[in-house]
Amino acid sequence: AQSVTQPDIHITVSEGASLELRCNYSYGATPYLFWYVQSPGQGLQLLLKYFSGDTLVQGIKGFEAEFKRSQSSFNLRKPSVHWSDAAEYFCAVFNFGNEKLTFGTGTRLTIIP
Amino acid sequence: NAGVTQTPKFQVLKTGQSMTLQCAQDMNHEYMSWYRQDPGMGLRLIHYSVGAGITDQGEVPNGYNVSRSTTEDFPLRLLSAAPSQTSVYFCASKNPGEGHYEQYFGPGTRLTVT
Repeated sequence: AQSVTQPDIHITVSEGASLELRCNYSYGATPYLFWYVQSPGQGLQLLLKYFSGDTLVQGIKGFEAEFKRSQSSFNLRKPSVHWSDAAEYFCAVFNFGNEKLTFGTGTRLTIIP
Repeated sequence: NAGVTQTPKFQVLKTGQSMTLQCAQDMNHEYMSWYRQDPGMGLRLIHYSVGAGITDQGEVPNGYNVSRSTTEDFPLRLLSAAPSQTSVYFCASKNPGEGHYEQYFGPGTRLTVT
């Protein structure tokens, strides 16, 4: 069965600093991977996705993620965070067999001035 | 398009009460699903449906029922609410099959069972 691990429960970053959120997955075949963002009291919004091809994918709001098969990782990055990036971030892997999306437990991002 | 809509936004129930969380989508998506979100546990799949008349259990189905009589609607029923069902519930939809992997999420229903 597939699984997703987000090892950091909570990260605090200064505004303007760079950001990297970690995601490791377990899946038997080539994974389809997603990052979602959830602002307080809101639903989930898709930031970016990886299906195949270029392992560095660009998303909305200036985010990018890099797929590394050798490390089973799909880390999310942003070169300079803004206060509006404070939110919870979820990594997810899609299972072709049962069409299900499995989520990690999330990383809460706090931005300090 | 309104996308995926959920009602109510907030609900408080007493233990043993029943209620239905509503979910509708106007994108003609065949696949719909319900998740619950609990602190430190991410989102867990409750039930899903690959089309009208077809439903199946997800990871945490106990205490919940679903039906899918139309493509647009996928209600989630709690027959006898328990405090363990206090959670935020999200409905999502997509088209199944090759090339359709992105799920679209509703805004959520925050349920408290006392």
